[in-house]
Amino acid sequence: GESVGLHLPTLSVQEGDNSIINCAYSNSASDYFIWYKQESGKGPQFIIDIRSNMDKRQGQRVTVLLNKTVKHLSLQIAATQPGDSAVYFCAEKRGKLIFGQGTELSVKP
Amino acid sequence: DTAVSQTPKYLVTQMGNDKSIKCEQNLGHDTMYWYKQDSKKFLKIMFSYNNKELIINETVPNRFSPKSPDKAHLNLHINSLELGDSAVYFCASSPIGRGGEETQYFGPGTRLLVL
Repeated sequence: GESVGLHLPTLSVQEGDNSIINCAYSNSASDYFIWYKQESGKGPQFIIDIRSNMDKRQGQRVTVLLNKTVKHLSLQIAATQPGDSAVYFCAEKRGKLIFGQGTELSVKP
Repeated sequence: DTAVSQTPKYLVTQMGNDKSIKCEQNLGHDTMYWYKQDSKKFLKIMFSYNNKELIINETVPNRFSPKSPDKAHLNLHINSLELGDSAVYFCASSPIGRGGEETQYFGPGTRLLVL
């Protein structure tokens, strides 16, 4: 069926630490994955994407890792800042975007 | 210079009423979407239009009718509003990228509360 889930609904980290947000997807035919950040009262904002022919992609302070063997996706945020506090969604694309439930990241100063 | 804009931002209305939400994008994208986000933050696609043509229509009640007058606009009309329609509705747009991937850009959302 259609299912993109997250292992942890909430994550609390200390400012300056690295954050890792995990996501499991169910359909091995999905070929494109995206991470979105949604701040309170705003729409989802694109962070980074990765195609299924890649294992890793890096952006500014963010890295996405894709493990197709176990159908797992993760988002790593380096040196987490208070401004990173938000709900993070992974999404897989298979004709349409299927979103996971979301992980709420809270950064403690 | 807002990329994807929606109006209104907040909408409070009585059960049984008819209401519309408007969406406009100035990114020159060909494809636009409507999503519904429930109280648990779950985001689910409702409709997708490409160049004014409906391409995705999820299992959405007939009371919801999207309308695309041109490729920069996708409006959502809801008839006979029900309590369960209360949610945040997001409009999004995307280009058609190479390899089939599409980055979708979201609007700020319309918070609908049906009383």
